[in-house]
Amino acid sequence: AQSVAQPEDQVNVAEGNPLTVKCTYSVSGNPYLFWYVQYPNRGLQFLLKYITGDNLVKGSYGFEAEFNKSQTSFHLKKPSALVSDSALYFCAVRALNSGNTPLVFGKGTRLSVIA
Amino acid sequence: DGGITQSPKYLFRKEGQNVTLSCEQNLNHDAMYWYRQDPGQGLRLIYYSQIVNDFQKGDIAEGYSVSREKKESFPLTVTSAQKNPTAFYLCASTPLTRPGDYGYTFGSGTRLTVV
Repeated sequence: AQSVAQPEDQVNVAEGNPLTVKCTYSVSGNPYLFWYVQYPNRGLQFLLKYITGDNLVKGSYGFEAEFNKSQTSFHLKKPSALVSDSALYFCAVRALNSGNTPLVFGKGTRLSVIA
Repeated sequence: DGGITQSPKYLFRKEGQNVTLSCEQNLNHDAMYWYRQDPGQGLRLIYYSQIVNDFQKGDIAEGYSVSREKKESFPLTVTSAQKNPTAFYLCASTPLTRPGDYGYTFGSGTRLTVV
């Protein structure tokens, strides 16, 4: 079975400071990993993905994520947070060799960037 | 521009009433999905379809029904059997060729409230 854990319901960070939103996963075999962002009353927007290759993935709006196979983690990072980054962030996973099974999403982490 | 359109944006349902949420995509995507979002519970899969005239139950299908008569359309009916339907409903789609490369494209959601 596939699963995703986002251990923090809420992350608070001051504007200009680095931010990290944590994600750990469980799949059989190699994973596809995704981060999405959601603003109030809107759908999810794609931020970045990991499939294969370089463990550091760069995405939209200056976000990046580091894939760590030994720790089964895919933490989202940004060097300098903006107030406009305040939103709900979701990590998602599916196994690389699972056919077309649906993505499994974490419960989300609310990021609050304080000016 | 290609995308997914969900309608209506807000929907109110009386007790014992069936309501249908619309989801239309012009991305030529094969697979379509319905998720339910409740605060603190992330996204939970209701139904998905990978081909016309075929669909599969997700984790919380009870009280819901779907159809897939056209590739572009995947309507969700919330029946009177769904005892707690108040939630935010999200529709998503993806191509099945190399689905991991694309992740999902999401609609803007429908907020359903029981009155």
